[in-house]
Amino acid sequence: DAGVTQSPTHLIKTRGQQVTLRCSPKSGHDTVSWYQQALGQGPQFIFQYYEEEERQRGNFPDRFSGHQFPNYSSELNVNALLLGDSALYLCASSFLSNLNSGANVLTFGAGSRLTVL
Amino acid sequence: SQKIEQNSEALNIQEGKTATLTCNYTNYSPAYLQWYRQDPGRGPVFLLLIRENEKEKRKERLKVTFDTTLKQSLFHITASQPADSATYLCALGRGSSNTGKLIFGQGTTLQVKP
Repeated sequence: DAGVTQSPTHLIKTRGQQVTLRCSPKSGHDTVSWYQQALGQGPQFIFQYYEEEERQRGNFPDRFSGHQFPNYSSELNVNALLLGDSALYLCASSFLSNLNSGANVLTFGAGSRLTVL
Repeated sequence: SQKIEQNSEALNIQEGKTATLTCNYTNYSPAYLQWYRQDPGRGPVFLLLIRENEKEKRKERLKVTFDTTLKQSLFHITASQPADSATYLCALGRGSSNTGKLIFGQGTTLQVKP
């Protein structure tokens, strides 16, 4: 049973460029969340998607946008990249029914390491 | 603003000893608290969840306590092994009204020496 898969694993961009990161959730999961993890820090919540809609958003600018597809996979887009966007971007999946019962246990992918030069 | 603090310095212990990691939080009322393990270059892996009305949870060699008065959780690994060496993250979450967001601490790196 495949867990959460993310692509690409590593990428390098320059300031001002745009990037798209992709995520396939664990089989059977219907909710996808994205987190940004800077070096030496804990993950920070970007947003969560369910039924192709953004359910909740963290304190990230509009340059960060996302999408969820009918097969539950998701994309994270970042426009006008800044040096400070360099980080590990983590995708996590879960069951909405578990979220609503208060048991928000996440299954994370290995992440996409973005370097902005 | 909400703040979670974990031991910023790495914890070095000898194999066989008990490792104790601390997670303190302020300006937040979590419905539950979770602990995750993260290895270098990998995503976090869920270990344990404890709810606000629970004092203690155990799973094999792991034990978590949750004191909502002190706003603190302790994470214990008994009979530690070199394979337990990793970064451990605590995360707080609320109930169904705020189900998507987990707030993570910065993590504590544990090094178990043989």
